Amino acid sequence: QQQVKQSPQSLIVQKGGISIINCAYENTAFDYFPWYQQFPGKGPALLIAIRPDVSEKKEGRFTISFNKSAKQFSLHIMDSQPGDSATYFCAADGGATNKLIFGTGTLLAVQP
Amino acid sequence: SQTIHQWPATLVQPVGSPLSLECTVEGTSNPNLYWYRQAAGRGLQLLFYSIGIDQISSEVPQNLSASRPQDRQFILSSKKLLLSDSGFYLCASPGQSNYGYTFGSGTRLTVV
Repeated sequence: QQQVKQSPQSLIVQKGGISIINCAYENTAFDYFPWYQQFPGKGPALLIAIRPDVSEKKEGRFTISFNKSAKQFSLHIMDSQPGDSATYFCAADGGATNKLIFGTGTLLAVQP
Repeated sequence: SQTIHQWPATLVQPVGSPLSLECTVEGTSNPNLYWYRQAAGRGLQLLFYSIGIDQISSEVPQNLSASRPQDRQFILSSKKLLLSDSGFYLCASPGQSNYGYTFGSGTRLTVV
């Protein structure tokens, strides 16, 4: 019940295309859903996050879509660029200790 | 805003040797602190978390231990390293917001 399932494991997108990464969770106590971007050899960096009281959040080319009833959320990267090539992690948080539970990651490659 | 410092950046240690990785946090007080490990090409596994000085919780039984001797200092240790301890170790904290972790730059540990 503490797991966050992420797919696909890897993704290749052409420059200018849309990258879509999906995550699903079971624990309805989760109340915060962030996405992290990680470049090789670096720590993950917070990209965008959403709470379950909204269905969508957009920041620039990055959009989170959230479906509370299905317990699913996804990251959409519009107009994907080679500089977006990185590993993306979804995560979920909830509870007094604020333990972030991470998905298994998606390696995104944007081809020029 | 908070900053998380980790050192060393890379480390190569022989099997059976001890380990001490240090994490310090600036810009916040009494933060929750977390140690994560990331195996090559894998997701982020929560190892330990701490909600205060000398308050440590272990998530996964293993060859490692953690200590928090000061409010902003979190140490990951081992008495005898195993080959399976190799990985990328990351320290994280949500800071005062309690959401949206900030990660340190990580330590790449290779046990040989």
